Amino acid sequence: LAKTTQPISMDSYEGQEVNITCSHNNIATNDYITWYQQFPSQGPRFIIQGYKTKVTNEVASLFIPADRKSSTLSLPRVSLSDTAVYYCLVGDGKRDDKIIFGKGTRLHILP
Amino acid sequence: NAGVTQTPKFQVLKTGQSMTLQCAQDMNHNSMYWYRQDPGMGLRLIYYSASEGTTDKGEVPNGYNVSRLNKREFSLRLESAAPSQTSVYFCASLTGGAGLGGYTFGSGTRLTVV
Repeated sequence: LAKTTQPISMDSYEGQEVNITCSHNNIATNDYITWYQQFPSQGPRFIIQGYKTKVTNEVASLFIPADRKSSTLSLPRVSLSDTAVYYCLVGDGKRDDKIIFGKGTRLHILP
Repeated sequence: NAGVTQTPKFQVLKTGQSMTLQCAQDMNHNSMYWYRQDPGMGLRLIYYSASEGTTDKGEVPNGYNVSRLNKREFSLRLESAAPSQTSVYFCASLTGGAGLGGYTFGSGTRLTVV
């Protein structure tokens, strides 16, 4: 499983766009980049996954540069309810069994 | 509803007591996991099971044992609970396929050891 590095915490204000970057220098050819969101007292839930370039869904966008050594989760016009911990995972879903989530990024949205 | 079911939701133990946390999934997933989450911290992997009949240690296995009873059930046992094991425990299963987007988590067990 590729090691990932992301900021421990971030603050932003309601209505702003928030970008959280994850570094994964040893990403393998078959690996995907996956982001999860965790609210207090709940298990993480899937947000978005991508392999290259850009992926967008109703919740977020994921930007992946050509070298795939990093990725950026973009949350448009955040609200207080986006306050959560965000985890970046990198793996192919087939050979990786020991899935480690790490500390994630604690995002705090201010009014 | 399909998903991961954990029992109990809350538990208070005295130091030295034992207990088993139960987890069951009805999605026919091969891989199952146990994580713990301390206040303000990320998830730490305790044990995992890549398939029925196999289990492996994660990051923090000391003080725990697991059993993959069948494809559906993966239990976590604390033989002699310690205050350091006070935490929220999450069970999860992972569907196969490309990437790691197929995790389903249970609602967690909040354990307090006094």
